[in-house]
Amino acid sequence: DADVTQTPRNRITKTGKRIMLECSQTKGHDRMYWYRQDPGLGLRLIYYSFDVKDINKGEISDGYSVSRQAQAKFSLSLESAIPNQTALYFCATSRQGAGTDTQYFGPGTRLTVL
Amino acid sequence: SQQGEEDPQALSIQEGENATMNCSYKTSINNLQWYRQNSGRGLVHLILIRSNEREKHSGRLRVTLDTSKKSSSLLITASRAADTASYFCATDAGSGNTGKLIFGQGTTLQVKP
Repeated sequence: DADVTQTPRNRITKTGKRIMLECSQTKGHDRMYWYRQDPGLGLRLIYYSFDVKDINKGEISDGYSVSRQAQAKFSLSLESAIPNQTALYFCATSRQGAGTDTQYFGPGTRLTVL
Repeated sequence: SQQGEEDPQALSIQEGENATMNCSYKTSINNLQWYRQNSGRGLVHLILIRSNEREKHSGRLRVTLDTSKKSSSLLITASRAADTASYFCATDAGSGNTGKLIFGQGTTLQVKP
């Protein structure tokens, strides 16, 4: 079984709809991240969480919100989707510890907003 | 702005040849990591090099780090068709214990059989 899972894997929605992307992990990691990937732009950090009570904005948080329901679950919401949020979204996890550690990525969610 | 800038953006080689990708960054770092992404898939960690290290090896991978030039290179020796993927460098931008990574735009490698 995959250590980091994302649902759904693909989603097509319309402008103005509310969308939730879910991420679950079995690695026992405290830290979780949401990124979006656009062609030619690499990965950009949306939100990150160090534990259930610690959530932080990343580089591009406008238009997004998150919820850390448990250590293993971190959800990303688009309250009112717009076409320029069409992208590939990745969840990642890492350990809590000294320094910056390896991140483990989920398989991604391809979101299309029409 | 991107912390990591990668060069070249695209690279096409024959199987068996070596592939070299470069990454430059702007601010001081604690470590630099390289990741691989197969088309449309999640990123997979390849190797981490710390700021006090100059070179690191893992199988057919060799990574160098020059903190004076704020640059790193990833060398894949004896490439295989299965190495076809995009490769990203990521730095912590000297952010201490935040765990945040800043990714470059990536190099797309095609290895022709």
